[in-house]
Formats: sequence, structure tokens, C-alpha cells
Amino acid sequence: GESVGLHLPTLSVQEGDNSIINCAYSNSASDYFIWYKQESGKGPQFIIDIRSNMDKRQGQRVTVLLNKTVKHLSLQIAATQPGDSAVYFCAEKSGTDKLIFGTGTRLQVFP
Amino acid sequence: SAVISQKPSRDICQRGTSLTIQCQVDSQVTMMFWYRQQPGQSLTLIATANQGSEATYESGFVIDKFPISRPNLTFSTLTVSNMSPEDSSIYLCSVELYSSGIWETQYFGPGTRLLVL
Repeated sequence: GESVGLHLPTLSVQEGDNSIINCAYSNSASDYFIWYKQESGKGPQFIIDIRSNMDKRQGQRVTVLLNKTVKHLSLQIAATQPGDSAVYFCAEKSGTDKLIFGTGTRLQVFP
Repeated sequence: SAVISQKPSRDICQRGTSLTIQCQVDSQVTMMFWYRQQPGQSLTLIATANQGSEATYESGFVIDKFPISRPNLTFSTLTVSNMSPEDSSIYLCSVELYSSGIWETQYFGPGTRLLVL
């Protein structure tokens, strides 16, 4: 079903450390997953995506890991910077069905 | 990715009135989507708008309240009709495009922040 958050979990990390944001998805038939970053006052920004036939994909400073056995997705951000502070959403999709969004995690980076 | 713009970026409206939100994309796209995001919450799909056909609405959303137009492959509008304070939200336009030429993914516009008094 729909995943609409009533509260926003927060992850606080020190600048320069690595961040790991986790997401548990609901549909075992989902075959496509996306991570979005949403800064205050802006629309969601595409970060990285992955298909279900992969378990890892790397981008610039970001890595997405997919564990289909436990329906778990994670986003790793290397050397976290103040500009990484935002709300991060995972999203899942099965075939041509609609995209389903997770509840979101707020990342706070402190000096 | 695509450059997606929305107008207005924000508005304050009186209850009972209607507001039309515009979404413009800099390339031709088949699939366009309208989402609502209430403060501090995740995104909820309102409807899918394909050019040349009627929009498809999600459960809980109806055409009379949220009429949508899709006159061409680069433009769409969403109207929030007979507004009430419960309609105060961020409304987001999204399009589906190929990501780095590999997979189709969804990209979002900047959003329209609506406050209904």
C-alpha cells in the first residue's frame, strides 16, 4: 500500500564522515528503485537508481545497495558535506505501476 | 534529465477559490505526473497525465476537484478547485525520462507551495 510518513526520522552526521540512509520497501515484486534528495523549498532531486538484477550501483560520492532477500535499500554518502543536508526519499516501482515513496529521512550534517 | 518549471512557485488563496498550476518541460515527454506533498510528509500521486487521453486519478482524488489538462507533450496544468485549508500543500509536477540513456526514471519540478486561508 501507500507509504506516507507521519514523522521524519533524522540522521545526524559529522562533516567528513560517511552517511548511511536505510529504506525498507514493501513490494517483493518491485524491480526498480530510486533515491531522491529534497532540500528545503525545492522539489525532489534524482540521485541514483538501481534495478533488481543488481545489488550495488555507484555514483559520484554515493552508492546504493539493494538486498532483495530482506527488501532493504540503502544509500551511502561518502565524505558527507553540509550541502548534503536534506530529506532523502527512497522510491520503489514494479513494472509499469506507479512509483511508491518511502517516508523520508532527514540528514543533518554538523561541523 | 529535463528542465521542469512550475508556475506559480507559491500562492496564498482564499477558501472556495480555484488555482491552476502550470508545468512546462524543455523536452517532449509521454508521461507526466502530479503529486501532492503535505508538510513534513512524503509524496502522494494525484494523477497520471498522458497527452491525448484523459488523466488517470489515484484513489482519493477526483477530476472535479483536480482537473488536469495535457494539451501537448511539453505542458500540463493541474487545477485545485473550490479550495479549503486542507488543500494547503506542495504540488509537484513530474516527468518520466531516460536516465543516462539506460532506464526511464522520474524527474520533478520545483513545486508549487499553496496556502489556503
